[in-house]
Amino acid sequence: DQQVKQNSPSLSVQEGRISILNCDYTNSMFDYFLWYKKYPAEGPTFLISISSIKDKNEDGRFTVFLNKSAKHLSLHIVPSQPGDSAVYFCAASANSGGSYIPTFGRGTSLIVHP
Amino acid sequence: DAGVIQSPRHEVTEMGQEVTLRCKPISGHDYLFWYRQTMMRGLELLIYFNNNVPIDDSGMPEDRFSAKMPNASFSTLKIQPSEPRDSAVYFCASSLQGAGYGYTFGSGTRLTVV
Repeated sequence: DQQVKQNSPSLSVQEGRISILNCDYTNSMFDYFLWYKKYPAEGPTFLISISSIKDKNEDGRFTVFLNKSAKHLSLHIVPSQPGDSAVYFCAASANSGGSYIPTFGRGTSLIVHP
Repeated sequence: DAGVIQSPRHEVTEMGQEVTLRCKPISGHDYLFWYRQTMMRGLELLIYFNNNVPIDDSGMPEDRFSAKMPNASFSTLKIQPSEPRDSAVYFCASSLQGAGYGYTFGSGTRLTVV
C-alpha cells in the first residue's frame, strides 16, 4: 500500500511555463516532506523540503506547497527550463526515534520542451 | 569526498546465480540505506543500518536477499539465488543522523537477471 502517491507518471511542459508536480500522502503522522530530483544514470539528489509547520517553502525557481488538511503537496517550478527534465520523487517522513526515514513515491518524469 | 560509491554500475547475471552489490558510504555518515527502484514501485527502502547495525529490514522482499555492513566504510547487498523479477536499479545512500534532507545517493547498480 503506497503511503506516498504520485499519480502522474509523466508531465510535459513548454520551456518558460510553470511545472506543477503533485503528491498525496495517507499517513497523518508524516510531518516532514521532501522532493528529490533524479537524472538518468545518476542517483537522486535532494531538491527542497518543507516542515508541517509551514505551508510554503521557496528556493529560487522551486516552491513547495503543503496542504495538511488535504494531505497534499506540490512542487512548482517557474520558469521551467530544459535542464529541469528529470524524474522527481516526493518523499514524506515522521520522527522515528529521533530519525526521519523518508518514504518515497513512484516518481514523476518531467520533460521540458525548448 | 567522492560521495557514495557503488559497484558494479551494471550487472547482468543468469537466473539462479548469486549477485553481490557493494557500497562505500560517505566518511562520517552514520546511516546507510539500500533502495530498489522499479517502474511499478518507485524507490523502495529495503534495509537501513545505523552505526553498522541493521535497524529495519522489513523492506527486504524475501530470504533470498541479505545485507551486511561489516564496518563503517563498506556494505553489501546479496541476492541468492537471483530471479528475473529482481531486475531493477539498486541504490545505496548514506546520511548523518538519518535526516532525509541529508541523503546522498550513489549512482546505482543496474541489475539484469536473465
